Amino acid sequence: EAQVTQNPRYLITVTGKKLTVTCSQNMNHEYMSWYRQDPGLGLRQIYYSMNVEVTDKGDVPEGYKVSRKEKRNFPLILESPSPNQTSLYFCASSNYYSGSAYEQYFGPGTRLTVT
Amino acid sequence: KQEVTQIPAALSVPEGENLVLNCSFTDSAIYNLQWFRQDPGKGLTSLLLIQSSQREQTSGRLNASLDKSSGRSTLYIAASQPGDSATYLCAVFSTSGTYKYIFGTGTRLKVLA
Repeated sequence: EAQVTQNPRYLITVTGKKLTVTCSQNMNHEYMSWYRQDPGLGLRQIYYSMNVEVTDKGDVPEGYKVSRKEKRNFPLILESPSPNQTSLYFCASSNYYSGSAYEQYFGPGTRLTVT
Repeated sequence: KQEVTQIPAALSVPEGENLVLNCSFTDSAIYNLQWFRQDPGKGLTSLLLIQSSQREQTSGRLNASLDKSSGRSTLYIAASQPGDSATYLCAVFSTSGTYKYIFGTGTRLKVLA
């Protein structure tokens, strides 16, 4: 089954404790991205990757890191989480080379709480 | 900077009504526009994707149109049902210098039985 998976689905952590949220897709997509969703602010793009070893900032990159060492994986790293990073996080992927180029497929979301 | 707006923010209609959700964007340099559905606390389900060269797409009771020159898209839902109750989001893939997706803040739809 074609899908985007995220782990963990729920995470409660404390300020300053480094964490990683994993994202994996099995559709051989080139483009992957991370979003956060907050009430009243909608979905905002954190980082995106056009392909392996190619990443770029979205609209809200501060406090986050990403890496793209393999095509299927795109982990989101919070080196020193703070309470303002409490949010619902989504990973998504899309491809270039088809009639539906850049149609996004989303993972199920990760609800992060930083206390 | 690309901005995406969805009006209305919330909508409540009786079952069976045909309805239109609106999405507007400020920069016409887009690659595509995608409509999503999101149920409370859940992920996003893709409904329709319209490439910038297309005018409309249809899937079942849903029809989405795109007028790139005026920066507008509409999602038409025919014969609404209580199961259509959800938040509907539109997103544009901008190609003005960067390759970013920009989302609207959504329309929260409630269909009353």
